[in-house]
Amino acid sequence: DAGVIQSPRHEVTEMGQEVTLRCKPISGHNSLFWYRQTMMRGLELLIYFNNNVPIDDSGMPEDRFSAKMPNASFSTLKIQPSEPRDSAVYFCASSSADRVHQPQHFGDGTRLSIL
Amino acid sequence: AQSVTQPDIHITVSEGASLELRCNYSYGATPYLFWYVQSPGQGLQLLLKYFSGDTLVQGIKGFEAEFKRSQSSFNLRKPSVHWSDAAEYFCAVGAGSGGGADGLTFGKGTHLIIQP
Repeated sequence: DAGVIQSPRHEVTEMGQEVTLRCKPISGHNSLFWYRQTMMRGLELLIYFNNNVPIDDSGMPEDRFSAKMPNASFSTLKIQPSEPRDSAVYFCASSSADRVHQPQHFGDGTRLSIL
Repeated sequence: AQSVTQPDIHITVSEGASLELRCNYSYGATPYLFWYVQSPGQGLQLLLKYFSGDTLVQGIKGFEAEFKRSQSSFNLRKPSVHWSDAAEYFCAVGAGSGGGADGLTFGKGTHLIIQP
């Protein structure tokens, strides 16, 4: 079975540019999560969706960050404008909210470098 | 709000020796607890999970963890480590229905080094 698929795997861009990270959850999963990993702060939850609806975006650091889930098989995390402090690894995870005791499955992440 | 503490940033263990990684959590209700492992450049792989029932849970790759409510701990153990176990290990706590519908709170991780 295909796992969570994230693209791109690596992104290097200049400060001020728009960055779009993409995620395809596992088929049949209806919860999707975006996390950010940095050396200083570790793994932090940014936002999550249930059935394509954003449930909690309190972890989104600033208005420069936005996330969408237009359908059950695709989500984007956008940063506009990007800043060097946004450099991190961004992970997407998915799970099934309809079944109890289901863990989250993670993609391989997008390593983002803002110059 | 829940929190997770992994007191050991780095641990070095000889190949073949036993391993215990510590995890303490703070959560007001019954916690749902997880251990994930991350190899360099990779995502997080679930090792094991605890939701309820037997407090000793078995996971993949020969790992186990024990939930101790009185100590607010969920320590990870392995009787004999292999060089391939070298990685970053994360303990996490979830709320609600068990992590499936709610975000996880992670510890800062423990970096495991295996020496020959």
